[in-house]
Amino acid sequence: KNQVEQSPQSLIILEGKNCTLQCNYTVSPFSNLRWYKQDTGRGPVSLTIMTFSENTKSNGRYTATLDADTKQSSLHITASQLSDSASYICVVSDRGSTLGRLYFGRGTQLTVWP
Amino acid sequence: EADIYQTPRYLVIGTGKKITLECSQTMGHDKMYWYQQDPGMELHLIHYSYGVNSTEKGDLSSESTVSRIRTEHFPLTLESARPSHTSQYLCASSDRGEESNQPQHFGDGTRLSIL
Repeated sequence: KNQVEQSPQSLIILEGKNCTLQCNYTVSPFSNLRWYKQDTGRGPVSLTIMTFSENTKSNGRYTATLDADTKQSSLHITASQLSDSASYICVVSDRGSTLGRLYFGRGTQLTVWP
Repeated sequence: EADIYQTPRYLVIGTGKKITLECSQTMGHDKMYWYQQDPGMELHLIHYSYGVNSTEKGDLSSESTVSRIRTEHFPLTLESARPSHTSQYLCASSDRGEESNQPQHFGDGTRLSIL
């Protein structure tokens, strides 16, 4: 069964600290992995997209890594800010159909305290 | 910022009413999607479209219907709302091309409550 599991479910850190969010997936065949940020009451916003051949991609203070062999990804946030408080969603796409079926994780709820 | 808009943002309405949730995008994207999201849960695809006059049902069974008469407009309709339809509905769009390179741009959603 194709699944995307994220950990931790929630995380609280102090402003200025770094953190790492995890994503494990069983989706096959694999096409790409995406990280989205969803602020409360807003729609998700794309942070990074990585294909099979990419093992790291950065977007400002966000750095995503991908290990396609172990089917794991992480999102590292450097020097956290209050505005980083949001849900971070891992999404994996397969190559099994024209649509490129997307499998969504339930997200990690990050809270940054001052 | 993506140019995709959903209205209304919030809707509280009684059982049995007909509801239309609006979604419009100004990016000229061919592909559009509707997702349903409950608190703390993953997004579920309920409808998608590859272009004008193209609509398909997604993975999650839904009593809603959609139409795609214009590229920029992808409304979702519930003919007779029920409390089980209470949820957040998110609309998204993406450009044509390799799926691996195309992020989906999301609207801010409609939070629907059926009394």
